[in-house]
Amino acid sequence: AQSVTQLDSHVSVSEGTPVLLRCNYSSSYSPSLFWYVQHPNKGLQLLLKYTSAATLVKGINGFEAEFKKSETSFHLTKPSAHMSDAAEYFCVVSDNTNAGKSTFGDGTTLTVKP
Amino acid sequence: DVKVTQSSRYLVKRTGEKVFLECVQDMDHENMFWYRQDPGLGLRLIYFSYDVKMKEKGDIPEGYSVSREKKERFSLILESASTNQTSMYLCASSFLQGGQPQHFGDGTRLSIL
Repeated sequence: AQSVTQLDSHVSVSEGTPVLLRCNYSSSYSPSLFWYVQHPNKGLQLLLKYTSAATLVKGINGFEAEFKKSETSFHLTKPSAHMSDAAEYFCVVSDNTNAGKSTFGDGTTLTVKP
Repeated sequence: DVKVTQSSRYLVKRTGEKVFLECVQDMDHENMFWYRQDPGLGLRLIYFSYDVKMKEKGDIPEGYSVSREKKERFSLILESASTNQTSMYLCASSFLQGGQPQHFGDGTRLSIL
């Protein structure tokens, strides 16, 4: 069984300040973890993925995430927010034994204030 | 780049109509998925398919069926549309191997009147 919890439904930051979106997961096996971004009226775009290689994963648009097995966390960070980062973000866990099925978090809406 | 194309961005239909949503991917992915997305409910899996003519029910299959006659195409069918099926529908595809990311289309916003 697998599950994912995004700890904040809304996060608001000022432009130029750091971003932290929190995600905890549960999985019976070594999981693959992903972060996606969704802009209004668009599909989900893959930001980054963890698949049991380096625990610090770098993604597109300056985002990165750190896999911490002891804390079962996979938090998404960015050093400096940009207005274009305003969107909804989804943390996703995939049990590698489950042939591609994934479990999605409920999403975190990021607001960036000028 | 992977391309997942959904045939319509916006669609308006009447209750009782049979509705077809089409999805095509160009990356030779084995897996294809249909989700619906509603405010406060996140993404919910309707059906998925891991091979041609194969399908598996997701979490909310009632009122829907699917068809996969070719590897690249996965259709979602609303047999008799109802107003509670008004939603954003997202198609995705991925390789069969576990742990692969899914690639999404831009979605179809369906309104049932």
